[in-house]
Amino acid sequence: DAGITQSPRYKITETGRQVTLMCHQTWSHSYMFWYRQDLGHGLRLIYYSAAADITDKGEVPDGYVVSRSKTENFPLTLESATRSQTSVYFCASSIFLGAIAFGSGTRLTVV
Amino acid sequence: RKEVEQDPGPFNVPEGATVAFNCTYSNSASQSFFWYRQDCRKEPKLLMSVYSSGNEDGRFTAQLNRASQYISLLIRDSKLSDSATYLCVVNWESGGGADGLTFGKGTHLIIQP
Repeated sequence: DAGITQSPRYKITETGRQVTLMCHQTWSHSYMFWYRQDLGHGLRLIYYSAAADITDKGEVPDGYVVSRSKTENFPLTLESATRSQTSVYFCASSIFLGAIAFGSGTRLTVV
Repeated sequence: RKEVEQDPGPFNVPEGATVAFNCTYSNSASQSFFWYRQDCRKEPKLLMSVYSSGNEDGRFTAQLNRASQYISLLIRDSKLSDSATYLCVVNWESGGGADGLTFGKGTHLIIQP
């Protein structure tokens, strides 16, 4: 099916472990984004990419790594997970800034 | 820091009523504006873009007031299914970077039967 898919939907990991969240889109959108959503903070941009092999930091990039070797994939890696990274993570994509389509999210719990 | 402010609510509104809420933004150089809807434990979804001349989509009307730096969303004949959180989004288009795209924290709307 066309669209944007994230995996896994739910993840529990231990402090200090590396974890990768996957994101795949079938629209060939040039822009892709990673947001986290926490109560009291709303949606905050972690990293974004304007095209393959081009990535830029957002508002809260510390502790995260991204790559974009192919237009359709934009994985997010937590290098050494901390409890403060417990959150809901949304991947998104768009043709132009503003009208972005979100994936269904990954609920990550770090224990 | 570029700010986008919304009344968090909740707005409790009887079914069939008209409800409106605003979103203020701090940067007068803002370029484009959007409303998103987010249901509980779901992803945000684009509801509508907001144009300078105002725009309407069925029961929903969006307005932009550049002089006072706010956008508004009006919902007429509200339905139970309109219950959700409404996020406003402002794009400053900072040289094409996505860091100019800022989400408000949302206004929670509850339509009561």
